[in-house]
Amino acid sequence: GQNIDQPTEMTATEGAIVQINCTYQTSGFNGLFWYQQHAGEAPTFLSYNVLDGLEEKGRFSSFLSRSKGYSYLLLKELQMKDSASYLCAVMDSNYQLIWGAGTKLIIKP
Amino acid sequence: IAGITQAPTSQILAAGRRMTLRCTQDMRHNAMYWYRQDLGLGLRLIHYSNTAGTTGKGEVPDGYSVSRANTDDFPLTLASAVPSQTSVYFCASSKRPGLVGNEQFFGPGTRLTVL
Repeated sequence: GQNIDQPTEMTATEGAIVQINCTYQTSGFNGLFWYQQHAGEAPTFLSYNVLDGLEEKGRFSSFLSRSKGYSYLLLKELQMKDSASYLCAVMDSNYQLIWGAGTKLIIKP
Repeated sequence: IAGITQAPTSQILAAGRRMTLRCTQDMRHNAMYWYRQDLGLGLRLIHYSNTAGTTGKGEVPDGYSVSRANTDDFPLTLASAVPSQTSVYFCASSKRPGLVGNEQFFGPGTRLTVL
């Protein structure tokens, strides 16, 4: 079966760094996506990885290891507005997205 | 219109009633998708369409139907609603299926409650 695992909830302090992990087992792999979803809103695209390594985009970075079936999203200089759920999704062999349940990130001042 | 719109924003529906959720995009994207999102679960694909005139079943298609008469519109119909269909429904679109890095853009969602 297909499976995406990520922690249910994490707490971090404003100004700090947090790493959100995602492990996956899917039928085929055509890339891994991270989305941000604020409460009551739609998911919005953050990053995409298809090759091993780190992709940096401002305060956010995403890492992928295909051999380990593992990714993480790194958020630096946390701001209160970063309080949201972070969704990991893998594009499978049929080019459909398989979604994790999301990690709720709580930022404390 | 900018991006994807969905209607209604929310709806309370009696069990057994028929309901159509509307979705329209103005980005000329070929592919469109319907997901449901339930607490503690990831987004689950209900139906998708890779291009106008074609549709396909996702992970949880039972009790739902879709049509894709043109590029812009992708309505989702619940023929006879049941309480287990209480959920938040998101419509999404992407440029072209099979395109590596094919980012999906989401509508604002419809919150549906079936009593």
